[in-house]
Amino acid sequence: KQEVTQIPAALSVPEGENLVLNCSFTDSAIYNLQWFRQDPGKGLTSLLLIQSSQREQTSGRLNASLDKSSGRSTLYIAASQPGDSATYLCAVSLTYKLSFGAGTTVTVRA
Amino acid sequence: DAGVIQSPRHEVTEMGQEVTLRCKPISGHDYLFWYRQTMMRGLELLIYFNNNVPIDDSGMPEDRFSAKMPNASFSTLKIQPSEPRDSAVYFCASSPRQGLNTEAFFGQGTRLTVV
Repeated sequence: KQEVTQIPAALSVPEGENLVLNCSFTDSAIYNLQWFRQDPGKGLTSLLLIQSSQREQTSGRLNASLDKSSGRSTLYIAASQPGDSATYLCAVSLTYKLSFGAGTTVTVRA
Repeated sequence: DAGVIQSPRHEVTEMGQEVTLRCKPISGHDYLFWYRQTMMRGLELLIYFNNNVPIDDSGMPEDRFSAKMPNASFSTLKIQPSEPRDSAVYFCASSPRQGLNTEAFFGQGTRLTVV
């Protein structure tokens, strides 16, 4: 069974600092890895998708890396802003099924 | 496209009552998924459909739960009878296809409270 772990569970940083969020998974036979953002009381917004053959994906201030052999992914958010405060979830895809981590709740202090 | 649309956004019901959650996937998406999110268990896949056909319902917790997809633009998740432990946020998601580049798009969720 695929286990997905996200550390830390919560993170608080001052505005402008770079964020580093970690995700690890136990089964490396994945199709892709997806990072989501969830605001309180809201749905999940897809941020980045990395295919299993890729090493990283970038979108604006966001960069996600994938090391499939070691079962790790890292989401970097550059120059954090208060609007980046949310819970960030990673999910790995094995065929149709997404297995989610518990998330990292980020607070960016103004 | 308006994205995945779920209704209602909030539902409060009494134990024993029937609850029906609704979902409209993104037009053209072949796959539809129902997930449940709780503090204790996080996000769990309940069931998914491909071209309106249920493919895997192994995540449905009990026979009290049922899901249908009568056409490509509509799906329901029904709980009958409801119990307090069913209280959770239920998400619907859709995806255009399986494979390496399959991105899942989620609705806003339905927050269900059973009292």
